[in-house]
Amino acid sequence: AQKVTQAQTEISVVEKEDVTLDCVYETRDTTYYLFWYKQPPSGELVFLIRRNSFDEQNEISGRYSWNFQKSTSSFNFTITASQVVDSAVYFCALSGLVSNYQLIWGAGTKLIIKP
Amino acid sequence: ETGVTQTPRHLVMGMTNKKSLKCEQHLGHNAMYWYKQSAKKPLELMFVYNFKEQTENNSVPSRFSPECPNSSHLFLHLHTLQPEDSALYLCASSQVPGTTEAFFGQGTRLTVV
Repeated sequence: AQKVTQAQTEISVVEKEDVTLDCVYETRDTTYYLFWYKQPPSGELVFLIRRNSFDEQNEISGRYSWNFQKSTSSFNFTITASQVVDSAVYFCALSGLVSNYQLIWGAGTKLIIKP
Repeated sequence: ETGVTQTPRHLVMGMTNKKSLKCEQHLGHNAMYWYKQSAKKPLELMFVYNFKEQTENNSVPSRFSPECPNSSHLFLHLHTLQPEDSALYLCASSQVPGTTEAFFGQGTRLTVV
């Protein structure tokens, strides 16, 4: 079965702290895709990153970084020096042949950055 | 205009009404999607269209009827809805289903009274 688990329902930190959002996935596919999206209060889901299963290189984009570990089936997301504008719900998602390439979504982690 | 645009942003309708949600994408994508997002539930994929053909219908009740006249436009026709259908309805598009990133509209907040 395909499944995405975001065990952290809500995280609250003070501005400028680093924060890591966890994402653990299950899949029978050997080729699959992982995604992170951000949903601010406005409602629109904003694409952050896509990673395919053959690319285990970690990615850094400004204050955002992603750690993909196939050995632990995890694709964690770290925000360095968090800012109030980072407050949002963050979703991790998975797709692959088993799901007919439909996105399987995690439940989301609500991130609150306090000034 | 760029991206994915949804109208209306907010809709209140009675259970006997008929209304339609509209989605338009200016990204040149081939696939379009309708999602339902209810409080405390994961995102639910409702319909997928690829090159204007419906490829997925995830057991959605017939009171929701999608229409995709061309690759840039997607509609969701609503009739005789129930209060539990109140949710945020999100439209998205992507170049290829599931392997390329999807871009989302801001959603229509639907309240059924």
